[in-house]
Amino acid sequence: GQNIDQPTEMTATEGAIVQINCTYQTSGFNGLFWYQQHAGEAPTFLSYNVLDGLEEKGRFSSFLSRSKGYSYLLLKELQMKDSASYLCAGMDSNYQLIWGAGTKLIIKP
Amino acid sequence: GAVVSQHPSWVICKSGTSVKIECRSLDFQATTMFWYRQFPKQSLMLMATSNEGSKATYEQGVEKDKFLINHASLTLSTLTVTSAHPEDSSFYICSASLRAQVTEAFFGQGTRLTVV
Repeated sequence: GQNIDQPTEMTATEGAIVQINCTYQTSGFNGLFWYQQHAGEAPTFLSYNVLDGLEEKGRFSSFLSRSKGYSYLLLKELQMKDSASYLCAGMDSNYQLIWGAGTKLIIKP
Repeated sequence: GAVVSQHPSWVICKSGTSVKIECRSLDFQATTMFWYRQFPKQSLMLMATSNEGSKATYEQGVEKDKFLINHASLTLSTLTVTSAHPEDSSFYICSASLRAQVTEAFFGQGTRLTVV
């Protein structure tokens, strides 16, 4: 079956770095997405990885290892506004997104 | 990025009535739109995939006669919740893919439906 696993909740301190891990199992693979979702709002796109390696975009970076079925989202210089849920989603061979349950990130001052 | 507009943002309706939710791609043509439902503290659950000019493909367990989807043009898809019940109360979100491009899904703002 298809499955996305990510931690339910994480806590970090303002100004620090946090890494949110995601493991995936999909039927075929067409990329791994990270979305940010604030409470009561729709998800917003953060990153897309389809090749192995690290993609850096400002304070956010995303890493992919296809052989391990593993990705992580790295957030640097955490700000209070980064408090949100972070959704990992894998795209299968039919270009369908398989969603993880999301990781709720709590930022403390 | 591309803009997807969803309307209304929130709606309260009486049990037994129907509610229509619109999803529009404002600056691109979306051959495919997706409808999701999200319960509190849970992930997105795909309800159906909507292709312009053809019948929607519903996920297992989703009643197609209850959740009517129409995708009459490349910029508009609608979801109608018929004979709504309190258990239909949820956050409904649409997303759209760019024509011939599948690397990113653009989401509407979501619709909070409360059935009383």
